[in-house]
Amino acid sequence: GQNIDQPTEMTATEGAIVQINCTYQTSGFNGLFWYQQHAGEAPTFLSYNVLDGLEEKGRFSSFLSRSKGYSYLLLKELQMKDSASYLCAVADAGNNRKLIWGLGTSLAVNP
Amino acid sequence: DAGVTQSPTHLIKTRGQQVTLRCSPKSGHDTVSWYQQALGQGPQFIFQYYEEEERQRGNFPDRFSGHQFPNYSSELNVNALLLGDSALYLCASNAGTGNSSPLHFGNGTRLTVT
Repeated sequence: GQNIDQPTEMTATEGAIVQINCTYQTSGFNGLFWYQQHAGEAPTFLSYNVLDGLEEKGRFSSFLSRSKGYSYLLLKELQMKDSASYLCAVADAGNNRKLIWGLGTSLAVNP
Repeated sequence: DAGVTQSPTHLIKTRGQQVTLRCSPKSGHDTVSWYQQALGQGPQFIFQYYEEEERQRGNFPDRFSGHQFPNYSSELNVNALLLGDSALYLCASNAGTGNSSPLHFGNGTRLTVT
């Protein structure tokens, strides 16, 4: 079956670093996406990984290990506005337009 | 450059009724996907339209149907509404080519079934 696991909730302090993990078991793999969703708003795209390794984009970085079925999103220099839900999604093999979503990790950044 | 737009933003319907939700994709995008998101859950894939045809479908009953028009806009129809259909319905678009084409989401339609 298709399964994506993420922690339900995390808490961190402003200015700190936080790592949000995602593990997946899917029948196929055509890349992994991370999205950010603030309460009451639409998800917004953060990153895409299809090859193993680390992709860095400003304060946010995303890592993928396909052999381990594992990814993480790293947020540095946390700001209050980073308080949101972070969704991990895996693209189905052969067609990235169908995504399999995790339930999301709710991150609370405290002062 | 307008992003993905959805209408209406909120809707209240009664059990058994039918509803139509609308979506215009981001300029330059030709593929539209619909998702249902319950409170505290990740989005659940309903179906995807490309070239005016349903290309893929998630685990949703036939009460959920859709359409894509020549201008790439799309509609989601839900018949015989159930209380459990209450959710945020998200439309997302992307370009039809390239594996790394991320989804761009609209702000969603909040459907409440009473």
